[in-house]
Amino acid sequence: EPEVTQTPSHQVTQMGQEVILRCVPISNHLYFYWYRQILGQKVEFLVSFYNNEISEKSEIFDDQFSVERPDGSNFTLKIRSTKLEDSAMYFCASIRDLMNTEAFFGQGTRLTVV
Amino acid sequence: EDKVVQSPLSLVVHEGDTVTLNCSYEVTNFRSLLWYKQEKKAPTFLFMLTSSGIEKKSGRLSSILDKKELSSILNITATQTGDSAIYLCAVEGGSEKLVFGKGTKLTVNP
Repeated sequence: EPEVTQTPSHQVTQMGQEVILRCVPISNHLYFYWYRQILGQKVEFLVSFYNNEISEKSEIFDDQFSVERPDGSNFTLKIRSTKLEDSAMYFCASIRDLMNTEAFFGQGTRLTVV
Repeated sequence: EDKVVQSPLSLVVHEGDTVTLNCSYEVTNFRSLLWYKQEKKAPTFLFMLTSSGIEKKSGRLSSILDKKELSSILNITATQTGDSAIYLCAVEGGSEKLVFGKGTKLTVNP
């Protein structure tokens, strides 16, 4: 069964460093998302991406964050100058199209900022 | 602001019990409601309910959407220890992003 894959599964970084979280969405899916879940809290929307551009972003997704799809398969989330409060589980998700909107999630990357 | 509220926040039952999990929502331009099961990591898709599909069933799990009451329930019959997880309700509103509730943590004891 096709699945969304994310790497790494766990990343530890020092405050102020840049991190790149990687995702390979399901191959025939057109819409891609990043969500995050701070420990013990709800899953929160960060950004949606379609046709090589951001279609929507939340208030959380400030200038510190960026996304890109550099090679047609990978979908990356870059966090510049990480802060302690960026520590969370980051989930990538994809949907096929707007007629088939079941979102499928990757296993997540646990980011720990120390 | 779109909002999803789940209840109860946690539930402990014995194997064989039937449970009902609740989800209510306030969202502009409702499009669909989704249930996910979250064990150790990723939310795993269970059901999607829309105006044209307000009741879904898969094995021991079933879900109903009440558009009038802006709510949904997820039923699990004959629970097993493997059903222990956090059950997430999410709603898709005017955009295709999902708004999640806090989840219901279900613990099924042998």
